[in-house]
Amino acid sequence: AQSVTQLGSHVSVSEGALVLLRCNYSSSVPPYLFWYVQYPNQGLQLLLKYTSAATLVKGINGFEAEFKKSETSFHLTKPSAHMSDAAEYFCAVSPPPPNYGGSQGNLIFGKGTKLSVKP
Amino acid sequence: DTAVSQTPKYLVTQMGNDKSIKCEQNLGHDTMYWYKQDSKKFLKIMFSYNNKELIINETVPNRFSPKSPDKAHLNLHINSLELGDSAVYFCASSQRPLMEQYFGPGTRLTVT
Repeated sequence: AQSVTQLGSHVSVSEGALVLLRCNYSSSVPPYLFWYVQYPNQGLQLLLKYTSAATLVKGINGFEAEFKKSETSFHLTKPSAHMSDAAEYFCAVSPPPPNYGGSQGNLIFGKGTKLSVKP
Repeated sequence: DTAVSQTPKYLVTQMGNDKSIKCEQNLGHDTMYWYKQDSKKFLKIMFSYNNKELIINETVPNRFSPKSPDKAHLNLHINSLELGDSAVYFCASSQRPLMEQYFGPGTRLTVT
């Protein structure tokens, strides 16, 4: 069964500082991994995804994440935070298709990390 | 054009009532989902349909019944609403199961 752990329910950074949001996964098969962002009162928006190609994945808004199998991690980074990055961030894991069916075949979300950006 | 749309955006109702939330996607996706997000932002899958067939049915009270009239629509009907049903409900779709999902804007349900 897949699971995902996001370390830190709340991360606060200053504008212009490095953003690092941590995600560790557990999976019995090589997983697909995703980062989503949720701005206040909105739905989730896909930031980036890892689907077993390049281990360093670039996404929208200057974010990137690196898949590290040895560490079972998929941390999200951005070199310089903007005020507009303040939001809730979710890491998600799934087994790659076609192994779907039942709860073990669904996208499993972490509990989210709230990012605050100080001026 | 909105890719995944939900109506209504806000729903305030009393305990015991029956209500429905509608979802439509215009992405041509085969798979649609319903999620519940609680006050702590925790997202939990409720149902998933692929090509109008139910493929995921998590431990959800049978007061919740999804209906997929066609691949572009997945509606959620809730009977006998309870206080604990208050949450934000998100619809999502993906091209196939387990691929990246595209979310609707959410429906904030408040049961009084």
